[in-house]
Amino acid sequence: RKEVEQDPGPFNVPEGATVAFNCTYSNSASQSFFWYRQDCRKEPKLLMSVYSSGNEDGRFTAQLNRASQYISLLIRDSKLSDSATYLCVVGNNNDMRFGAGTRLTVKP
Amino acid sequence: DAGVIQSPRHEVTEMGQEVTLRCKPISGHNSLFWYRQTMMRGLELLIYFNNNVPIDDSGMPEDRFSAKMPNASFSTLKIQPSEPRDSAVYFCASSPGQALYGYTFGSGTRLTVV
Repeated sequence: RKEVEQDPGPFNVPEGATVAFNCTYSNSASQSFFWYRQDCRKEPKLLMSVYSSGNEDGRFTAQLNRASQYISLLIRDSKLSDSATYLCVVGNNNDMRFGAGTRLTVKP
Repeated sequence: DAGVIQSPRHEVTEMGQEVTLRCKPISGHNSLFWYRQTMMRGLELLIYFNNNVPIDDSGMPEDRFSAKMPNASFSTLKIQPSEPRDSAVYFCASSPGQALYGYTFGSGTRLTVV
């Protein structure tokens, strides 16, 4: 079993739709959680951290479920510019593991 | 801040040649990471440094790979001799040393070994 698993997608959604991704992790001792965004042929960029109480940044909401060992990312009112691959990252201190990513395409 | 700077952006080399990838982390960041990304395996951590000291190199594929960080502002990843299966995008990332802040990635070096 991989340490961090994501549905690779692709998720194809119309503009304005709400879309959610989950990411499961195997190490119950993990303390740090992030979502990164990676555009085609670009580097990953930090989208948001995921806090135990859940957190929101505009149209993006991230949540952590420690009991079931998964994190989620919800995107509301999706835009064409949200099209990218979304990577979840889980770990402790400098031992961070990346998921393989979920590809999202938002269509007009 | 200029961010994490990697060079070269693209490298095409023949099998058996030595390849050196370079990275300048963000000033003040004391952790530096080398990752490799391929379609098949995704992002893999190769090695990371903390305060210029290699902490975990368990991800380095084999002895053909070596990495150094002679000072806080420069690191190299060397492959000698290179093989076609080393073709990938190699990313360098740095962080302030606390996971709370996540990592900042460089633009990557796209390596093709023919």
